[in-house]
Amino acid sequence: AQSVTQLGSHVSVSEGALVLLRCNYSSSVPPYLFWYVQYPNQGLQLLLKYTTGATLVKGINGFEAEFKKSETSFHLTKPSAHMSDAAEYFCAVSDRGGNNRLAFGKGNQVVVIP
Amino acid sequence: NAGVMQNPRHLVRRRGQEARLRCSPVKGHSHVYWYRQLPEEGLKFMVYLQKENIIDESGMPKERFSAEFPKEGPSILRIQQVVRGDSAAYFCASSPSGTGRNYGYTFGSGTRLTVV
Repeated sequence: AQSVTQLGSHVSVSEGALVLLRCNYSSSVPPYLFWYVQYPNQGLQLLLKYTTGATLVKGINGFEAEFKKSETSFHLTKPSAHMSDAAEYFCAVSDRGGNNRLAFGKGNQVVVIP
Repeated sequence: NAGVMQNPRHLVRRRGQEARLRCSPVKGHSHVYWYRQLPEEGLKFMVYLQKENIIDESGMPKERFSAEFPKEGPSILRIQQVVRGDSAAYFCASSPSGTGRNYGYTFGSGTRLTVV
């Protein structure tokens, strides 16, 4: 079964600084990988996904993530944090077999400091 | 709005009552997924349904929980005889087909259940 590890439940970043959220997965084969963002009292919004092809994936709001098979990682970055980036971020994985479900990490609560 | 609609947004139930959570998928989507989010945790898969079929219920508690997705109408997640531990946010997602992984899934805004 797949699993996802996100370290550091709370992440503080200064406005304008680099945002880096780490995601490592456990899967027997390269999975499908996703990053979602959740604003307070709202549902999850897809930021970006990796299914196949180019390992550097660009998403919405200036975020991007790189799939590194050798490191089983899919870290999320944004060069310059904005106040509106304050939210909770979830990494998720889905395998390539018949299983259609997502396995989520515990999430990172991002706080942006002015 | 063509997104996934969940209602109610907030639901308060006393211990022992029944909770019914509704999910209307994106128009044209025939696959629905339910997830539960406990405080300080990520989302946990509960059940995957197609119209009139339960495909995967491996994440559903064995007792008190049931789900359906009828031919007409929304998907329903039902919790009988609720207990305080059922307090959580319940999210529904949909996809147009079994290629949800390629699509990325569309999530609703969730139903926040509080058991008092």
